[in-house]
Amino acid sequence: AAGVIQSPRHLIKEKRETATLKCYPIPRHDTVYWYQQGPGQDPQFLISFYEKMQSDKGSIPDRFSAQQFSDYHSELNMSSLELGDSALYFCASSLRTLRDEQYFGPGTRLTVT
Amino acid sequence: EDKVVQSPLSLVVHEGDTVTLNCSYEVTNFRSLLWYKQEKKAPTFLFMLTSSGIEKKSGRLSSILDKKELFSILNITATQTGDSAIYLCAAFVLDTGRRALTFGSGTRLQVQP
Repeated sequence: AAGVIQSPRHLIKEKRETATLKCYPIPRHDTVYWYQQGPGQDPQFLISFYEKMQSDKGSIPDRFSAQQFSDYHSELNMSSLELGDSALYFCASSLRTLRDEQYFGPGTRLTVT
Repeated sequence: EDKVVQSPLSLVVHEGDTVTLNCSYEVTNFRSLLWYKQEKKAPTFLFMLTSSGIEKKSGRLSSILDKKELFSILNITATQTGDSAIYLCAAFVLDTGRRALTFGSGTRLQVQP
């Protein structure tokens, strides 16, 4: 069965650079979520989208922005990167009618040096 | 503040043992409790529980929710080395503007041959 696709899988950036992470949800899933998992920590909710509109917002820094496109894929844009942004970034998708049941992608490991 | 607490934090058992992982939650606008298995990559969906007292079962894994006492357990019988992973518990909350998963810190299970 098709799963959530994320790219790139690994990304190394320097401080103050920008990064763009991409997420392609499971086919027919209309809701996308972004989570950040720091080393040894549990995933923290950042932001979610439904039908190209921002749905909910968690602990996303102002330096980050995200959007969902007409094909339901989503991009997380991160600017002025800081060392503390180094983490695994997961995208999850669900059906809006069953938004609890979220399926996670393989994650993008971002390292800021 | 929403809180999900898992215990034990880590557990080492031998193949064939039975383990019980605990998850308690203290969240507003609770809707469901989810269990995920994480092995160095994306959390893999195991169970979603919404009703008290109804056991969900998948092979050697089973889980149940107690909405009165605000906890859930995940049982794994006849453990195998492939069960070694971090098991994450998450509560889905329906706060306006923040409908997302709140994760516990996980239980690290190591199954030795």
